[in-house]
Amino acid sequence: DIVMTQSPDSLAVSLGERATINCKSSQSVLYSSNNKNYLAWYQQKPGQPPKLLIYWASTRESGVPDRFSGSGSGTDFTLTIDSLQDEDVAVYYCQQYYSTPYTFGQGTKLEIK
Amino acid sequence: QVQLQESGPGLLKPSGTLSLTCAVSGGSISSSKWWTWVRQPPGKGLEWIGEIYHSGSTTYNPSLKSRVTISMDKSKNQFSLNLSSVTAADTALYYCARRPVRSSGGGLDYWGQGTLVFVSS
Repeated sequence: DIVMTQSPDSLAVSLGERATINCKSSQSVLYSSNNKNYLAWYQQKPGQPPKLLIYWASTRESGVPDRFSGSGSGTDFTLTIDSLQDEDVAVYYCQQYYSTPYTFGQGTKLEIK
Repeated sequence: QVQLQESGPGLLKPSGTLSLTCAVSGGSISSSKWWTWVRQPPGKGLEWIGEIYHSGSTTYNPSLKSRVTISMDKSKNQFSLNLSSVTAADTALYYCARRPVRSSGGGLDYWGQGTLVFVSS
């Protein structure tokens, strides 16, 4: 299985500042034939299902604010949230869908400082 | 707008079989998508259980493979999860979700609200 490790486990950021969450996979999730990284990011607020933010490591899902961005390739990935808003308080997960089982990171809890 | 809704018993006894159904509306499960089950123990992270393609092809998490079956009923536009020999460790919020094929994205883009299954004697 591909192990997904997120860092940090939690972080507190001031309103209007930038939040950065990292995700590392135990093996590459880059599909060489199309140069796509099979890596997604999700946001989960309390009492709600996860919401897809980013797929292919850096493509924003329709309707997701552009303050959310994803980057990285191979085994190292980053979710960046610019200009943090109140509504961004949530747990964020990365997931690889390169090989089954499609594993998730342990989650990063984002709070307002 | 695609919507998914899980249903099934909320309480099971150990050694029983968990059976959940996910009703899909606003879209057809016969479309070229994967239909997925994910679970989340209370206060913990997400675990991918498995998925079924519109063709009926299935893929399961090896950690559950001997106990899990995912099937679909195209006439009712729904798919189902069966998990046998449950224990307290299977207590979780169970979600169904849709996944486009990887060439079209591949992230889980629509989710149900989840149904809590509690295993206890």
